[in-house]
Amino acid sequence: DVKVTQSSRYLVKRTGEKVFLECVQDMDHENMFWYRQDPGLGLRLIYFSYDVKMKEKGDIPEGYSVSREKKERFSLILESASTNQTSMYLCASIGGVNTEAFFGQGTRLTVV
Amino acid sequence: GQSLEQPSEVTAVEGAIVQINCTYQTSGFYGLSWYQQHDGGAPTFLSYNALDGLEETGRFSSFLSRSDSYGYLLLQELQMKDSASYFCAVRVNYGQNFVFGPGTRLSVLP
Repeated sequence: DVKVTQSSRYLVKRTGEKVFLECVQDMDHENMFWYRQDPGLGLRLIYFSYDVKMKEKGDIPEGYSVSREKKERFSLILESASTNQTSMYLCASIGGVNTEAFFGQGTRLTVV
Repeated sequence: GQSLEQPSEVTAVEGAIVQINCTYQTSGFYGLSWYQQHDGGAPTFLSYNALDGLEETGRFSSFLSRSDSYGYLLLQELQMKDSASYFCAVRVNYGQNFVFGPGTRLSVLP
């Protein structure tokens, strides 16, 4: 059974903290993505990666960075968390030329 | 820019048929996907249309008209378990990037 695992389901962090969200997939997929999901806005792409060490900005990269040191792991970093980054964060992966994205269960981050 | 439009909410009764529309304006277009997301769950893949026409998978069908920048998801024989949010997503480049719509919340009533 294919799996995308996010390290935490719920996180509460303070404003200004550095926050790490981890995502691991076991399908040997090349493509990995980080989205944030907010009511009425759907899923918005933050960053994506097509290969190890490679990253590209999505539609809303400001305030975020990413790291992909190994093929199976894609980390999202909030350099200095702010209250407007309170959201649901979803990681996804897609293999090769396939078109089906597999999503993790999401991390609901609250910044206080 | 990129924009996708879907109705925010749809309500129907068990056994009925419902159609969820999606219109899009994107910088590129390679195909249209649909995803289902139950409350508290992860989005799961339903369908992908790269070519015009109707694709059927069990009770669900998906339609695409590239000339009209329009697609829809058709759910037949609705069941209570179909209550969920449904997202359309446009593949905007060959590199697997997808732009998602705002989602449609479907409520199925007994």
